[in-house]
Parts: sequence; structure tokens; C-alpha cells
Amino acid sequence: ILNVEQSPQSLHVQEGDSTNFTCSFPSSNFYALHWYRWETAKSPEALFVMTLNGDEKKKGRISATLNTKEGYSYLYIKGSQPEDSATYLCAFRSVGGNQGGKLIFGQGTELSVKP
Amino acid sequence: EAQVTQNPRYLITVTGKKLTVTCSQNMNHEYMSWYRQDPGLGLRQIYYSMNVEVTDKGDVPEGYKVSRKEKRNFPLILESPSPNQTSLYFCASRTGTGGGELFFGEGSRLTVL
Repeated sequence: ILNVEQSPQSLHVQEGDSTNFTCSFPSSNFYALHWYRWETAKSPEALFVMTLNGDEKKKGRISATLNTKEGYSYLYIKGSQPEDSATYLCAFRSVGGNQGGKLIFGQGTELSVKP
Repeated sequence: EAQVTQNPRYLITVTGKKLTVTCSQNMNHEYMSWYRQDPGLGLRQIYYSMNVEVTDKGDVPEGYKVSRKEKRNFPLILESPSPNQTSLYFCASRTGTGGGELFFGEGSRLTVL
């Protein structure tokens, strides 16, 4: 059974704090690692799709790194703002298999940013 | 505007009363999938479809059916809903090739009494 773990489960920070979360995934048969941002009552939206070991991606104040050999990815938010409050989901896709490229999701990290 | 549309967004029903949650996408995506989200668990895949008339089970298919008669539509059918199907459901789509991102609908919150 493939397992994707995210930590912490929840995080409360003050506006302006920088923060980071972790996503752990199997280190074998890696194909891609996705990060999604899910605001309450909205659709999850893709932040990053990462495919190469050592990948670093950035979108505004949010960035992510990828280590496929050890099976982890970090998501960083610099200078958190209240509008960053959301649940952040990571999802792992392995090579091959017969399930159409299924994504296995972690439980998410719920971020709350207080003004 | 590129989007995935689900209906209904909210539904309260009773055990055994058949219901269908519709999903439609306007991006010409080959791949579509249904997930359920329950507290403390990650999104779990119910069924997926690689293209028209091609569907297959995900991790938690029991109690659900799907069909893919047209490329844009992928309805989720609960023939005889039970309380353990109370959940938040998401439909998603992506292109068929590569490792591209999923585009999600806004979710359908279903309560089965």
C-alpha cells in the first residue's frame, strides 16, 4: 500500500511568519508529486507539479522543493498572509501501474494565518 | 472559462433513495475521476475514466457506479445510498497524457440519513 504522509496536520501562525510543511512519499517508482491549495468551500487548485529530483518551484511567496531519492517535498510560505489560510494537499503519482496514473493524496496540512 | 461543474452542491437524502451527482468539464479532458473526502483521511479515489466508455474502480468503489458516455460528462451514481456514504465528493479531470495537474469541481456535500 502506497502511503503519503503530511506534517503537521494543522498549523497556526501570525501574519508575517514564514512557515513550511512536509510531504513524505515512497522513494521508489516516482513519477510526479503535486501540491494543491484547498480553500474552504472552493475547489482544490494546483500549485505545483514536480517531476525531477532537486526540482524547486516558486509561485509568488510560495515555493516547493523535491527530493525523490529520500521521498520528501517541502512547501514554504514566506511572510504568511491571512489569505494563505487553506488546506495544502500533496499527492504522489508512481510510474507504471494500470490505474491511469492515479494520484495518492496525503491528509493535508491545514494552515491558519491570524492577522 | 475552463471549469469542472458538479451538481448538486449540497444534498440531504435518505437511505436507499437512488441519486446521481453530475460532473461536467469543458476542457476536452480525457481523464476524469471521482474522489471522496472524509475527516482525517486524504482524498480517496472512487472511480476513474481514461476516456469515453473506459471506466475503472479506484480505491473505494463499493456502493457507487459511474458511466462515461460522452467525453465531457462523468456522473456518479449511488444506487442505494447508505449513511457511510455521507461525505464530500469531488470530481476532477486532466489531460490523458503526462503527469498534468487535476482540475477539480467545487465539491458536492452529501448527507445520507
